[in-house]
Amino acid sequence: EDKVVQSPLSLVVHEGDTVTLNCSYEVTNFRSLLWYKQEKKAPTFLFMLTSSGIEKKSGRLSSILDKKELFSILNITATQTGDSAIYLCAVEPYNNDMRFGAGTRLTVKP
Amino acid sequence: GAVVSQHPSWVICKSGTSVKIECRSLDFQATTMFWYRQFPKQSLMLMATSNEGSKATYEQGVEKDKFLINHASLTLSTLTVTSAHPEDSSFYICSAGRGGSLGYTFGSGTRLTVV
Repeated sequence: EDKVVQSPLSLVVHEGDTVTLNCSYEVTNFRSLLWYKQEKKAPTFLFMLTSSGIEKKSGRLSSILDKKELFSILNITATQTGDSAIYLCAVEPYNNDMRFGAGTRLTVKP
Repeated sequence: GAVVSQHPSWVICKSGTSVKIECRSLDFQATTMFWYRQFPKQSLMLMATSNEGSKATYEQGVEKDKFLINHASLTLSTLTVTSAHPEDSSFYICSAGRGGSLGYTFGSGTRLTVV
């Protein structure tokens, strides 16, 4: 059975801290792994990862995929209160039935 | 590019009535659309995957007779909540895409309140 597991489920940090969010998966016919940031409404797309070892970066956020160990991490450096959100990891197999993790709720305190 | 329009953005209905939510891809053809539900303070829950021209694939535990999904064209999918009850009150979101490196785009969501 395909599954996506995110950890931790919840995380509270202070502004300026660096956080690492984890996503491990077990899927057949893996195609890509996606990270989303969910605030009040619909999630916003952050990264799509398809190849191992290639870091994707956007400002203070970066992510990398390890297809051998079947996990991905999302790093956020110098966190700000605006980073508070639920971060979703999803895996897309070739049959298009995406699997979402439960999400990590990040709270950044001033 | 890749804009997904979802409406209504909110709806209040009486218990026992049916509500239809539309999800449209405005500037691209979406071969696949997903419908999600979000419970308060929780992550998204995938309800079903809809492919144009075929029956939707429902996730375990989702009642297909209650949540009717139709994906009649490459730009439109609808979710109909039939005989709605207060426990169906939730935030429903669709996403649409072409898959692969193009990713998926989410609609803005529909807040359904059943009274």
